[in-house]
Amino acid sequence: DAKTTQPNSMESNEEEPVHLPCNHSTISGTDYIHWYRQLPSQGPEYVIHGLTSNVNNRMASLAIAEDRKSSTLILHRATLRDAAVYYCILRSVYGQNFVFGPGTRLSVLP
Amino acid sequence: DTGVSQNPRHKITKRGQNVTFRCDPISEHNRLYWYRQTLGQGPEFLTYFQNEAQLEKSRLLSDRFSAERPKGSFSTLEIQRTEQGDSAMYLCASSRTGTGGRGTDTQYFGPGTRLTVL
Repeated sequence: DAKTTQPNSMESNEEEPVHLPCNHSTISGTDYIHWYRQLPSQGPEYVIHGLTSNVNNRMASLAIAEDRKSSTLILHRATLRDAAVYYCILRSVYGQNFVFGPGTRLSVLP
Repeated sequence: DTGVSQNPRHKITKRGQNVTFRCDPISEHNRLYWYRQTLGQGPEFLTYFQNEAQLEKSRLLSDRFSAERPKGSFSTLEIQRTEQGDSAMYLCASSRTGTGGRGTDTQYFGPGTRLTVL
C-alpha cells in the first residue's frame, strides 16, 4: 500500500486559514488522494478527494502538487468545530481499502 | 439519510467470552466495511462486503473473528473467545458504488462500538 506522511499535530487560531500537508512520494497513477477527519468520540467523516486537479467543496480545498507527491488540505477559516484528527489516505481505483495512518491532530485556539 | 448506526455503543466483557456487534448501513449502500481502531491510531481495515458477499478480509481478521451480511443489509461482527488485545473501537462504514469506481466512493462511518475486554 502506498503510504502517506503527515505531521503529528498542528495548531491554528480560530477564523484563520489552515494548511494541512501530506507527503505521498510513492503514489501511483491510479491512486486517489482522500482526506477524512475524525472528531472526538465519532467515526471518521469524509472531507474531500482528488486525483490530479485541485478540488474545492463546501468543507475545504485540496491542492495537489504537479508531481502528485504531496498535497495540502486547506481549511479556509478554522472554527473550533474543526478540531479533529485529519487523515490523508491513498486509494487505488482497483479497490484497495483505506489504509489510515495516525493522521494530524489539529487544535484550534479561540 | 439516517446515517450508519452501530449497536451496542459500548461493550464490556470478560476474557474468553463471545461478543457480537451489529451495523446498519445507509439503506441504499451496497458496500460495507469493518475497521478496528486502537487509541492514538487510525482505523485498520478488517473486512469488506459488496452486497452479501464478503470480498476482502485483512490478515488482522483472525479465525476468532467472523463477519456476516445476510441479504446484503445489516452486518454483524462476532469475536469469539475474546482476548484483552481485542479491546478497541470497532467501526463500520458503508458506501455506494459510484460511477468513478471504488477508488472514489465516499465511505460513511458509524459512531463505533467500543469494546473493553477485562
